[in-house]
Amino acid sequence: EPEVTQTPSHQVTQMGQEVILRCVPISNHLYFYWYRQILGQKVEFLVSFYNNEISEKSEIFDDQFSVERPDGSNFTLKIRSTKLEDSAMYFCASSLEGSAYRSPLHFGNGTRLTVT
Amino acid sequence: DQQVKQNSPSLSVQEGRISILNCDYTNSMFDYFLWYKKYPAEGPTFLISISSIKDKNEDGRFTVFLNKSAKHLSLHIVPSQPGDSAVYFCAATKYGNKLVFGAGTILRVKS
Repeated sequence: EPEVTQTPSHQVTQMGQEVILRCVPISNHLYFYWYRQILGQKVEFLVSFYNNEISEKSEIFDDQFSVERPDGSNFTLKIRSTKLEDSAMYFCASSLEGSAYRSPLHFGNGTRLTVT
Repeated sequence: DQQVKQNSPSLSVQEGRISILNCDYTNSMFDYFLWYKKYPAEGPTFLISISSIKDKNEDGRFTVFLNKSAKHLSLHIVPSQPGDSAVYFCAATKYGNKLVFGAGTILRVKS
């Protein structure tokens, strides 16, 4: 079964540094998402992306965050200047259609980001 | 933000018996509900879903029940198997794929 692939599995960075998390969504999927889970907390929506633009974002997704689909296969999340509170597991997801009714999300295995 | 609540952090069940995982929600605008299963070091995997116009959806050993008036849903697993041991997340959405997740329930199925 096709998978969403995320790299790296674990990223350690220093506070204030830029970090890029990478994802390869399922190849025929059109909608892409980032979610995150801070340790001990709920999985939270960050952003959805379709047709090369952000379709929705949460209040967490401030100016420090950006997403990009630089080519036909990768989908990236950039954090410009990391803070300690950005430490979390970041999950990339994709879906064929934009509605959970028609097409549930397929998640990757996550990237654990540790900001020191 | 407590829009979706899973009040039981963990549940332990004997193999072959029924597992019942519960979820409550507060936002009456939610119209679609999903259950995801998560193993350690993996991402959540879609399990089963239900639309707000239904009260039951079944898929093999998994059945989800929705009680709209009580804003409550439950996932039944019958019979439970050791491989079902995982974290189960309830999620809800009012449109699209912006999911609001519960905190999860750790299910342990003992053999």
